[in-house]
Amino acid sequence: GQNIDQPTEMTATEGAIVQINCTYQTSGFNGLFWYQQHAGEAPTFLSYNVLDGLEEKGRFSSFLSRSKGYSYLLLKELQMKDSASYLCAVREDQQLVFGAGTILRVKS
Amino acid sequence: DAGITQSPRHKVTETGTPVTLRCHQTENHRYMYWYRQDPGHGLRLIHYSYGVKDTDKGEVSDGYSVSRSKTEDFLLTLESATSSQTSVYFCATTADGTEAFFGQGTRLTVV
Repeated sequence: GQNIDQPTEMTATEGAIVQINCTYQTSGFNGLFWYQQHAGEAPTFLSYNVLDGLEEKGRFSSFLSRSKGYSYLLLKELQMKDSASYLCAVREDQQLVFGAGTILRVKS
Repeated sequence: DAGITQSPRHKVTETGTPVTLRCHQTENHRYMYWYRQDPGHGLRLIHYSYGVKDTDKGEVSDGYSVSRSKTEDFLLTLESATSSQTSVYFCATTADGTEAFFGQGTRLTVV
């Protein structure tokens, strides 16, 4: 089975940097994903890590350590529009399983 | 965006009635998933498919069944709807297990 943990809520200031952590326990690991979901909308893909290390994409970066069962999503130069839920998901064999998500509030 | 359409987008139904939700994709993706999303629980996997007529159960499959007779369609059936199945249902697809694309969601209310 899978166990994916991430903080329930975080608050950060516009222009700052925030790191959202995700820990997981799973077998048959085939990759870790981060999704963004605005209220009332469908999730949208942010990043995918299958090997250890950092993947950078614009203001967003994602890190994976498979040996530690740990990932984080780093958001730089925060903007008000970044206020959303951030979902960590693990692909285990052919299943794609999500954590409960982290609500990020960006304040001015 | 991938061509993923869920229907209906909203539905109100009575307890005990059967309900079928449809997910239609035009991307020829192999994998398809059904999730439900409830406050405090995030997205929970109901059933998934890895090919035509190849399906398997997810974390919260009780009370739900699925069928995939064509690559493009993945149907989710609530055999006898209960109030606990009131939720927002999302379909997702992926070609190769990397980036998954989501439909717009179906808001189901069971009264």
